[in-house]
Amino acid sequence: DTGVSQDPRHKITKRGQNVTFRCDPISEHNRLYWYRQTLGQGPEFLTYFQNEAQLEKSRLLSDRFSAERPKGSFSTLEIQRTEQGDSAMYLCASSLERGPGANVLTFGAGSRLTVL
Amino acid sequence: AQSVTQLGSHVSVSEGALVLLRCNYSSSVPPYLFWYVQYPNQGLQLLLKYTSAATLVKGINGFEAEFKKSETSFHLTKPSAHMSDAAEYFCAVRIYTGNQFYFGTGTSLTVIP
Repeated sequence: DTGVSQDPRHKITKRGQNVTFRCDPISEHNRLYWYRQTLGQGPEFLTYFQNEAQLEKSRLLSDRFSAERPKGSFSTLEIQRTEQGDSAMYLCASSLERGPGANVLTFGAGSRLTVL
Repeated sequence: AQSVTQLGSHVSVSEGALVLLRCNYSSSVPPYLFWYVQYPNQGLQLLLKYTSAATLVKGINGFEAEFKKSETSFHLTKPSAHMSDAAEYFCAVRIYTGNQFYFGTGTSLTVIP
């Protein structure tokens, strides 16, 4: 297993455009998390999935943001009508549901979004 | 509500000196506590975790942290800094009954040769 993969690593877009990020978690991990990280800040929770079910969403996640995990494997995070304030690093992490592994988040390298 | 406070956004130490990165948490119930490290252009990597077993936790690369309930602290230490320790360090908390992990704002460690 190659760990958590995120694509693309960098995305530059103009304000008002839509962008989509993809995350491929570790294959046996049934929990998947999305975080946002801005300069000088720690990761902020956005949402998480257990298998294909989206169980929690942060109030940070406006209605322009939508996340899916249709088959309980990879996930996508879409941002519609991007704004300059959306510029950030979007991090994906995965974990097991039970046991000691439930307390270990394995992160991807992140997708950096720049909105011009 | 759960939160994590990391005192000192930037810490500089000389190579070979003691590293001490501070983390205090607030939680209404006993938490799990973590330290993650982030190297430039890489994802966060788990250094160590406290999950209610031994209060002194040893992690990778010679780091350790001690859970002190009376002080609500989980400070990270390393006896002797290496140049390769230069990175961003994040403290995180998760309560037993929740599934969210809350991160501090991070401490950037610089190691001076």
